[in-house]
Amino acid sequence: DTGVSQDPRHKITKRGQNVTFRCDPISEHNRLYWYRQTLGQGPEFLTYFQNEAQLEKSRLLSDRFSAERPKGSFSTLEIQRTEQGDSAMYLCASSLDGGPEQYFGPGTRLTVT
Amino acid sequence: SQKIEQNSEALNIQEGKTATLTCNYTNYSPAYLQWYRQDPGRGPVFLLLIRENEKEKRKERLKVTFDTTLKQSLFHITASQPADSATYLCALDQGSSNTGKLIFGQGTTLQVKP
Repeated sequence: DTGVSQDPRHKITKRGQNVTFRCDPISEHNRLYWYRQTLGQGPEFLTYFQNEAQLEKSRLLSDRFSAERPKGSFSTLEIQRTEQGDSAMYLCASSLDGGPEQYFGPGTRLTVT
Repeated sequence: SQKIEQNSEALNIQEGKTATLTCNYTNYSPAYLQWYRQDPGRGPVFLLLIRENEKEKRKERLKVTFDTTLKQSLFHITASQPADSATYLCALDQGSSNTGKLIFGQGTTLQVKP
């Protein structure tokens, strides 16, 4: 296993368009997390899954954001009607249940023009 | 709510010296605190975890201390090398137990000059 992967690595979109990102966690990890990171800041928690169940969503995650993990493996994060303020790096991480350390993917950099 | 503060100014040191980075938190003492390294354009990489009942943790040239009275963790890199240049993030769980919802500091950028 080569670690957490994310696709695409970069996405440029026009304001108002919908975008979808994919995350493939480390195969035996049952927890999956999404974070958002802007320049000069640390990652901010968005949401997380235990297997296929979405356990919590941050207040940062507006109604335009939705995340799924349908079979408890890969996850998708969709942003509808993108805004310029959505421009950021979107990071995915995974961990083993009970293991506090998280393993991050390379991120998807979103630019909304 | 819990907040984390790290030195926002970049730390510049000479190769071979010890780098010391600071992480302060404001509210309850977490069960553990983590340090991550992040290179430009990459995701954070886990380095070390220290639990509230541990005063110090070491891994190769890295050392982390945890003072729950001061609400502070220090991260040391001894015999620093240019390859250690990166941004270092501290993180702790937003919940009182292992919820996995990490809150991160803004990170301190370390530049090691040869």
